[in-house]
Amino acid sequence: AQSVTQLDSQVPVFEEAPVELRCNYSSSVSVYLFWYVQYPNQGLQLLLKYLSGSTLVKGINGFEAEFNKSQTSFHLRKPSVHISDTAEYFCAVSERTSGSRLTFGEGTQLTVNP
Amino acid sequence: NAGVMQNPRHLVRRRGQEARLRCSPMKGHSHVYWYRQLPEEGLKFMVYLQKENIIDESGMPKERFSAEFPKEGPSILRIQQVVRGDSAAYFCASSPPDKPYEQYFGPGTRLTVT
Repeated sequence: AQSVTQLDSQVPVFEEAPVELRCNYSSSVSVYLFWYVQYPNQGLQLLLKYLSGSTLVKGINGFEAEFNKSQTSFHLRKPSVHISDTAEYFCAVSERTSGSRLTFGEGTQLTVNP
Repeated sequence: NAGVMQNPRHLVRRRGQEARLRCSPMKGHSHVYWYRQLPEEGLKFMVYLQKENIIDESGMPKERFSAEFPKEGPSILRIQQVVRGDSAAYFCASSPPDKPYEQYFGPGTRLTVT
């Protein structure tokens, strides 16, 4: 079984500031890692995923994440945020062997203020 | 290429009624997943289906909930005798057959039980 912990439930930042959303996971097997974004009253959109290879993964909208196996972390970063980045962000994992069901964290609400 | 379609987007039911939620996967996708998002919580896996088969229903409540994905037509999540605790957003995702980890989400159905 896997679990995902998003360490911050809310992150307020000012526009053009850098941001890091933290995610730690626990699993007895190898996993794939994902970040999704959810805008109000909408579905989830995939930001980026780590399957294998380079531990630094670049996604859409200028976001990137780094997989750290020893710390079992997959933190999401953006060097300069925009007002439009205000949304809920979810970290998720799935088992490599089946790759099917996603286990999500509780989410981090990112609010970008002018 | 149309994305994952869900309908209705909003559904209001009185306690004891039945709720039927529909999901049409993306073209070429034969795998469907249902997730539930309770207020102020992350998404929780419910069930994973392929055409005419339930692959993993370990996240489904034992009673009142059922899901199907027939050979023709959309996947249906059915909730019988709804209770207030069923009020949530229900999201469907689909994936291509060779990449079950690559899940694309629909906009969700927001169920309100009065």
